[in-house]
Amino acid sequence: AAGVIQSPRHLIKEKRETATLKCYPIPRHDTVYWYQQGPGQDPQFLISFYEKMQSDKGSIPDRFSAQQFSDYHSELNMSSLELGDSALYFCASTPPGVSYEQYFGPGTRLTVT
Amino acid sequence: AQSVSQHNHHVILSEAASLELGCNYSYGGTVNLFWYVQYPGQHLQLLLKYFSGDPLVKGIKGFEAEFIKSKFSFNLRKPSVQWSDTAEYFCAVRGNNRLAFGKGNQVVVIP
Repeated sequence: AAGVIQSPRHLIKEKRETATLKCYPIPRHDTVYWYQQGPGQDPQFLISFYEKMQSDKGSIPDRFSAQQFSDYHSELNMSSLELGDSALYFCASTPPGVSYEQYFGPGTRLTVT
Repeated sequence: AQSVSQHNHHVILSEAASLELGCNYSYGGTVNLFWYVQYPGQHLQLLLKYFSGDPLVKGIKGFEAEFIKSKFSFNLRKPSVQWSDTAEYFCAVRGNNRLAFGKGNQVVVIP
């Protein structure tokens, strides 16, 4: 079965650079969620989109922005990267009408040096 | 806002031992509860979930969890662990469509 796809899987950036993470939800899923998991930490909710509109916002820094496109894929844009942004960024998706269970992607491991 | 508390962050046990991981949640609305497993270097995988009905839910790989509403708990159990169960386990509660995770339990099973 198709799963959530995230790219790139690994990304190394320097401080103050920008990064773009991409998430492709499971086909026909219309809601996308982004989570950040720091080293040794639990995943923290960042932001979510439903039908291309932001549906909920968590602890996402102002330096970050995200959007969902017409094909339902989502991109997380991160600017002025800081060392503390080094983390695993998960994307999850849910199908229409049933938002209870979120299906997670493999994550993008971002390292800021 | 919802929150989840997990204790005993590091658990070491031998193969064939029984495992129980505690999870307490706080949320004022209808709860949807989950246990996720994260194997080393891998993404989160759903072990089991509770939405309603029978409070004892069975998941994959021999895991089960019991929802006790009066105790705001959703503890995970496995009667006999295997080396391959070495992983991090996260309890999560869904509220307002977002998931709130606990700090996780790092479980190491010694062969």
